[in-house]
Amino acid sequence: NAGVMQNPRHLVRRRGQEARLRCSPMKGHSHVYWYRQLPEEGLKFMVYLQKENIIDESGMPKERFSAEFPKEGPSILRIQQVVRGDSAAYFCASSPASEQFFGPGTRLTVL
Amino acid sequence: GENVEQHPSTLSVQEGDSAVIKCTYSDSASNYFPWYKQELGKGPQLIIDIRSNVGEKKDQRIAVTLNKTAKHFSLHITETQPEDSAVYFCAARDTGTASKLTFGTGTRLQVTL
Repeated sequence: NAGVMQNPRHLVRRRGQEARLRCSPMKGHSHVYWYRQLPEEGLKFMVYLQKENIIDESGMPKERFSAEFPKEGPSILRIQQVVRGDSAAYFCASSPASEQFFGPGTRLTVL
Repeated sequence: GENVEQHPSTLSVQEGDSAVIKCTYSDSASNYFPWYKQELGKGPQLIIDIRSNVGEKKDQRIAVTLNKTAKHFSLHITETQPEDSAVYFCAARDTGTASKLTFGTGTRLQVTL
């Protein structure tokens, strides 16, 4: 059983561009979570999704950020009009119910 | 909302010694407390967890204790090895089986030879 997959592993964008981060959960996992980690800091919750539903988006910035988990395909975290402050590592976790298993992350750098 | 505090921020021990990392949480309704190990450039790896109906759990060299009354929980690593060097995060889960995790700020553990 493959682990949580994230791509790309590294993403460089210029200010104002869009960033799309993808997450494929472990087989059989129906819960997906996105977290953001700034350098030398802990992980901060962003959004929790199940297939075709956003369950909790209390950690998502109100503007420029969106997430989806379609019926088919990976979960996508989309950041529009990126700014330098968006530079961080973005981790996806999947869960069958309780334990959360993390992917390797996408490191976003905004120039 | 939940707030998790973690201490110390850095910890250096000699190989073979024990390491203890402590966390406190604020929401008495939290019922699940996992610990993650994160190596440089990698995602967090779940190493052990404990639920609120248990006071202690052990898995080989690692153990976790939970004091619900005091709202704190601790990670104990015995007989440390160089490969234990990493950043360790504690977390607490809000009420509900499938809810978000609130993380501590991490402890950088360095095991020296």
